[in-house]
Amino acid sequence: EAGVVQSPRYKIIEKKQPVAFWCNPISGHNTLYWYRQNLGQGPELLIRYENEEAVDDSQLPKDRFSAERLKGVDSTLKIQPAELGDSAVYLCASSRSLMMSAETQYFGPGTRLLVL
Amino acid sequence: AQKITQTQPGMFVQEKEAVTLDCTYDTSDQSYGLFWYKQPSSGEMIFLIYQGSYDEQNATEGRYSLNFQKARKSANLVISASQLGDSAMYFCAMRPMNTGFQKLVFGTGTRLLVSP
Repeated sequence: EAGVVQSPRYKIIEKKQPVAFWCNPISGHNTLYWYRQNLGQGPELLIRYENEEAVDDSQLPKDRFSAERLKGVDSTLKIQPAELGDSAVYLCASSRSLMMSAETQYFGPGTRLLVL
Repeated sequence: AQKITQTQPGMFVQEKEAVTLDCTYDTSDQSYGLFWYKQPSSGEMIFLIYQGSYDEQNATEGRYSLNFQKARKSANLVISASQLGDSAMYFCAMRPMNTGFQKLVFGTGTRLLVSP
């Protein structure tokens, strides 16, 4: 079974430029998460999707961040315009269903973003 | 609110020795799940082991075991017979298991270095 796929793996941009990250979850996983991991910290949730519906985006900075999950499979996270403080690793994760008590989340390799 | 504390920023262990990575947590919830993830330099968060708060037995998965002490609110990860490939960051995380979505909260991680 293929794991969570993310691209690109690395991205270097200048501030004020736009950037987009793509995620393909594990087949059959209805729930998709985007996390941001700052240097020396654990991941923090940005947004969660149940199928194509964003059900928790309270941590997403909506002035510059946007996300979509068309057709309830792949997802794209966008930053426009990027700021220096957005430099971080952006992780995508997926899980089967909230009905499973353990709800193990499986993570992709992440996109390392550097804003200059 | 939930909080995870990992007090060891770094740990060293010799190959084939056992090592314990500490994790304490703070929550007012009665039902919760505890998770450990491994993050190698490649960036991917790899799920290792899960412990439910009502599980009577400590969880084990191969060389990984979770020393769960509920009264002390600790969930230490024990890695037996360390291997060079175990060198990575290790994150403890928890999530309440109440109805509805509760986000996964991570600690700041412990960097483990296994030496030959």
